[in-house]
Amino acid sequence: GENVEQHPSTLSVQEGDSAVIKCTYSDSASNYFPWYKQELGKRPQLIIDIRSNVGEKKDQRIAVTLNKTAKHFSLHITETQPEDSAVYFCAPNNAGNMLTFGGGTRLMVKP
Amino acid sequence: GAVVSQHPSWVICKSGTSVKIECRSLDFQATTMFWYRQFPKQSLMLMATSNEGSKATYEQGVEKDKFLINHASLTLSTLTVTSAHPEDSSFYICSASALGWGDSQPQHFGDGTRLSIL
Repeated sequence: GENVEQHPSTLSVQEGDSAVIKCTYSDSASNYFPWYKQELGKRPQLIIDIRSNVGEKKDQRIAVTLNKTAKHFSLHITETQPEDSAVYFCAPNNAGNMLTFGGGTRLMVKP
Repeated sequence: GAVVSQHPSWVICKSGTSVKIECRSLDFQATTMFWYRQFPKQSLMLMATSNEGSKATYEQGVEKDKFLINHASLTLSTLTVTSAHPEDSSFYICSASALGWGDSQPQHFGDGTRLSIL
């Protein structure tokens, strides 16, 4: 099955700084790469996703970059705000649209 | 759009009780629904995948006789935890996808059900 690793597991930044979370995966057939944000006790929310035919996608302060050759993709958050504090999960797909979630990264944005 | 409703949000019950959790797609037809379990401070672990009108596919290590899944319509899937015990206490989350096998479409999550077995 898919082996997914996320780094770092925790990340603390000052408000206004940038944050980058990296996700590596093992299944070369993966072609869909989403990032989810989960606040404590709540549902995971899709914040951005990218498909294998695109190398980068941006949505305001959030961007995702994909390197299919190296089998990793990264989440970039610029101008971080306290409300960005949450746990972020990458979840590349495999056959049948099943997602394999990474271990999560706890992001803390200090005001 | 793409709203998924999950009920109940919180259940506390005695050991040996069976608990049913409902997952509904409110504004789209969900040909595929997924059930996850999440322990505190851990990631989401896929338990099973279900397609409307067919038997669910369970992940390795998940007991199908204990976690009964029914996906009777394109908008409703249910998970029944049979004869629940304290070790079954967890956060259960469903998700739904509009397209079926082989299509990489976003999964939309319900609010989750926090199950506590005394």
